[in-house]
Amino acid sequence: DAGVIQSPRHEVTEMGQEVTLRCKPISGHNSLFWYRQTMMRGLELLIYFNNNVPIDDSGMPEDRFSAKMPNASFSTLKIQPSEPRDSAVYFCASSSDPGQPQHFGDGTRLSIL
Amino acid sequence: GNSVTQMEGPVTLSEEAFLTINCTYTATGYPSLFWYVQYPGEGLQLLLKATKADDKGSNKGFEATYRKETTSFHLEKGSVQVSDSAVYFCALILSSGSARQLTFGSGTQLTVLP
Repeated sequence: DAGVIQSPRHEVTEMGQEVTLRCKPISGHNSLFWYRQTMMRGLELLIYFNNNVPIDDSGMPEDRFSAKMPNASFSTLKIQPSEPRDSAVYFCASSSDPGQPQHFGDGTRLSIL
Repeated sequence: GNSVTQMEGPVTLSEEAFLTINCTYTATGYPSLFWYVQYPGEGLQLLLKATKADDKGSNKGFEATYRKETTSFHLEKGSVQVSDSAVYFCALILSSGSARQLTFGSGTQLTVLP
């Protein structure tokens, strides 16, 4: 079975540019999560969706970050404008229910110059 | 609120040594407990879980027992291998309530030397 698929795997761009990260959850999973991982702050939950509806976005750092889930098989995390401090690895995860174990994608390594 | 406290790393062991990574938690209800493992360049993978007190989760030679009296879920392995080198995360989810999010510990880096 295909796992959680994220794209791109790596992204390098200049500050001020718009960045869009993509995620395809496991088919049949109703919950989707976006995380950010850095050495300084560890793993942080940014936002999670249940049945395509954002449930908790309290982890989104600021208005430059936005996330959408237009359908059950696709989600995006957008940063506009990007800043060097946004450099991190961004993970998407999905689960069959918010209370069930999550399956993680391999992440997008983002570098903002 | 809910929190997970993990033994700070990094931890360096020789192959075939015994491993313990301590994990304690604070939760307002009755959580399910998990250990995740992250290999270099990859996402987190579920290693094992326990959903109620005294349950023992096990996988790939790793074990952890849900201890309600000490609010702990320590990870153990009797004989580690070089391939076990990774970052290990303890986590919990509350079994009730609307805030069903994983709460992660800070992670423990394990390096196993040949």
